[in-house]
Amino acid sequence: GDQVEQSPSALSLHEGTGSALRCNFTTTMRAVQWFRKNSRGSLINLFYLASGTKENGRLKSAFDSKERYSTLHIRDAQLEDSGTYFCAAEPNMGYKLTFGTGTSLLVDP
Amino acid sequence: DAGVTQTPRHEVAEKGQTIILKCEPVSGHNDLFWYRQTKIQGLELLSYFRSKSLMEDGGAFKDRFKAEMLNSSFSTLKIQPTEPKDSAVYLCASSLRTNNYAEQFFGPGTRLTVL
Repeated sequence: GDQVEQSPSALSLHEGTGSALRCNFTTTMRAVQWFRKNSRGSLINLFYLASGTKENGRLKSAFDSKERYSTLHIRDAQLEDSGTYFCAAEPNMGYKLTFGTGTSLLVDP
Repeated sequence: DAGVTQTPRHEVAEKGQTIILKCEPVSGHNDLFWYRQTKIQGLELLSYFRSKSLMEDGGAFKDRFKAEMLNSSFSTLKIQPTEPKDSAVYLCASSLRTNNYAEQFFGPGTRLTVL
């Protein structure tokens, strides 16, 4: 079936620095979503992309369907950015989201 | 701005019981999904409705799982009879599908424990 490989599985950042999360897809995907799981376990929508890039504050995401990957860039990380981030992709044919395994981000002072 | 709501948040059932999980999608959304999440299997699609019509009934889940959508703002997932292996988090999601693209929004989930 469709596979989504997310990396890294864990990431530690100092406050004010930045990094990128990446998801690779084994097949062509129609769209990708990025979520953050909040303290109550709910998935918070960060981005939905069918192509190109989107930016929201200190977060920026890109999706290349042809090259089969998506990235989530975090800049100027803050303590409240700590949490688990997931990508999820929708296949070209179909509607079921396939989730990555998540990235546990820890931002420390 | 209400998101997807699910009730109950937690459910404990004895083996063999019937349980009903409830979901209210985002107002105006026309797609509704029921997923099951476990550590081993990850996220599995149980049912998919488009404009209240059942499009996907979950294949292997058909025999004891039944999802219904009586109106556009309410859906239920019935598990009958429950088995211990049904213990999982059940997620409901909704989306507004236009031009073949649809961002899914998830509810907080119902954590089911079957003893």
